[in-house]
Amino acid sequence: DAEITQSPRHKITETGRQVTLACHQTWNHNNMFWYRQDLGHGLRLIHYSYGVQDTNKGEVSDGYSVSRSNTEDLPLTLESAASSQTSVYFCASSESAFGGKNTGELFFGEGSRLTVL
Amino acid sequence: AQSVTQLDSHVSVSEGTPVLLRCNYSSSYSPSLFWYVQHPNKGLQLLLKYTSAATLVKGINGFEAEFKKSETSFHLTKPSAHMSDAAEYFCVVSDLWTGANNLFFGTGTRLTVIP
Repeated sequence: DAEITQSPRHKITETGRQVTLACHQTWNHNNMFWYRQDLGHGLRLIHYSYGVQDTNKGEVSDGYSVSRSNTEDLPLTLESAASSQTSVYFCASSESAFGGKNTGELFFGEGSRLTVL
Repeated sequence: AQSVTQLDSHVSVSEGTPVLLRCNYSSSYSPSLFWYVQHPNKGLQLLLKYTSAATLVKGINGFEAEFKKSETSFHLTKPSAHMSDAAEYFCVVSDLWTGANNLFFGTGTRLTVIP
């Protein structure tokens, strides 16, 4: 069965360290997304990609970067981790990106809980 | 402009009683509407979706939702709650002019099921 996997599931790091969260999907979707989930804020979009070599900033992109070198992977990098980046991070993918009835149908990974001390 | 309002942040029901989670939306165009469920320490999973076919939509695990254009609502229901239904539920709206990068997520409703 197709799936979307995130690693690590839990990570504790120190302020200033670089951290990379991996996301791998076998749906063969062109469209991939990174969200963070925080109490009181719901889900907020960090970065997204509509295909290989395409990356775009979302609502809360400061301090984060992504790269898309193939269809399956969209790693999220925190260049210099800050305590404000303590959160649960979700990767998602979708078949439809724009203008379709199914835009909004996302497949989510199980999340990566990051703690920055 | 689009928006989604989940009217209750927390709903508590007894096992075996009906569930009603409320969602109102605002959309300038024909909307697509989705309900997602998130169990503890898990990702969001699609429960059901409305994409302008039948207004009564059936989803997984016995959940249903009815699209009511006149009331701009898309409430989620289930006739009989089960303990395994305890989770967070999110209503999401998009439309033909919305990119997947610009979905509107509700703030979530936490469902508690009392034995």
